[in-house]
Amino acid sequence: GESVGLHLPTLSVQEGDNSIINCAYSNSASDYFIWYKQESGKGPQFIIDIRSNMDKRQGQRVTVLLNKTVKHLSLQIAATQPGDSAVYFCAEKGALGNEKLTFGTGTRLTIIP
Amino acid sequence: EPEVTQTPSHQVTQMGQEVILRCVPISNHLYFYWYRQILGQKVEFLVSFYNNEISEKSEIFDDQFSVERPDGSNFTLKIRSTKLEDSAMYFCASSPGQGGSPLHFGNGTRLTVT
Repeated sequence: GESVGLHLPTLSVQEGDNSIINCAYSNSASDYFIWYKQESGKGPQFIIDIRSNMDKRQGQRVTVLLNKTVKHLSLQIAATQPGDSAVYFCAEKGALGNEKLTFGTGTRLTIIP
Repeated sequence: EPEVTQTPSHQVTQMGQEVILRCVPISNHLYFYWYRQILGQKVEFLVSFYNNEISEKSEIFDDQFSVERPDGSNFTLKIRSTKLEDSAMYFCASSPGQGGSPLHFGNGTRLTVT
């Protein structure tokens, strides 16, 4: 069945360094991908998204890369700050107007001051 | 910036009782969702709602669950007879449309069933 999974459950990065969070997905029909950030006690917060017809998209300090050949998604955060400490989820929507968003298991990013 | 709001933030109930979780989606959004997150686990899809009817539901969303949009602003999730395993964070989300539209989530209701 379709699934979205993450390679690493935890990641610690020195403040100011760049971080990369990875995600693998199995549904080759996936059309749309989203990265969410979840801080303690809060709901998932939209960070950045990418459509399947793109392989890279940049935001403020964040970049998402999509490799459809190997069904891999990554989130790069540049110049990390203490406020970046959170759990990061990748999520995927299928094609054909399927509205359901499937979440991965999450990676906890800790920024070390 | 518009946001999804959920009430209450924390609900404690006894097993077998009915609970209603409330959400006010973003006003111009058309698609509404409920997700849940058991402590330490990933966010799981429950149900999506569009044009005043359920468009998709997961296996979790059994006959004990129902959703309603009683007026133009509220979107509710009802659990008829709560079980211990219903204890989780319940997130409401909304989006403006299908396809390439991100879901915007509220901060959730923590449901504790004792």
